[in-house]
Amino acid sequence: EVQLVESGGGLVKPGGSLRLSCAASGFTLSSYTMNWVRQAPGKGLEWVSSISSNSYYIYYADSVKGRFTISRDNARNSLFLQINSLRVEDTAVYYCARDSTFAGVIVGFDYWGQGTLVTVSS
Amino acid sequence: DIQMTQSPSSLSASVGDRVTITCRASQGIRNDLNWYQQKPGQAPKRLIYAASSLQSGVPARFSGSGSGTEFTLTISSLQPEDFATYYCLQHNSYPRTFGQGTKVEIK
Repeated sequence: EVQLVESGGGLVKPGGSLRLSCAASGFTLSSYTMNWVRQAPGKGLEWVSSISSNSYYIYYADSVKGRFTISRDNARNSLFLQINSLRVEDTAVYYCARDSTFAGVIVGFDYWGQGTLVTVSS
Repeated sequence: DIQMTQSPSSLSASVGDRVTITCRASQGIRNDLNWYQQKPGQAPKRLIYAASSLQSGVPARFSGSGSGTEFTLTISSLQPEDFATYYCLQHNSYPRTFGQGTKVEIK
């Protein structure tokens, strides 16, 4: 069974840092592009970042570029998001999500974790 | 960046109603579109991929159509468990973008 479990969220002051983790099980992490998506309280979904299976391709939303760093450790079946210079508007539930493929074609995010809440407040 | 315009933002419907939600892309995205359902306190759940392919385990009352810039999610006969918020996602290019969401409420 595919499982994604996020951790590392919490309450942090503006300007602070956190490192989010996503533990993957039930599939071979090294075969998949992985993603972070966030959702501010009462708001919609916002894509944050993606990393290819071998970490060669990395993409960020403009809203986080220069402050967030995505990484992965395939040997440890883990995905990470280092978030620095946190702002109040970064308050959100952060989800990790797996990119799926069908017949070799990318078909978007299939499995999602349950999310970890990051609260930025003084 | 590709903008996804989803409509309506909310709707009220009764059990048994046919419901249609639309997503319009600001430029052509072939069929690189997914539909998700999200209930309060839960992660999104994929319903449709490749614009019209039903995710395994999802009831057949859900269907998707469209290609290029215009896409539709249809629920043929709304059930009590379908009251939720629905989102489209384009994965044709980066940045990935979601529609604003459609909240389906009980009439």
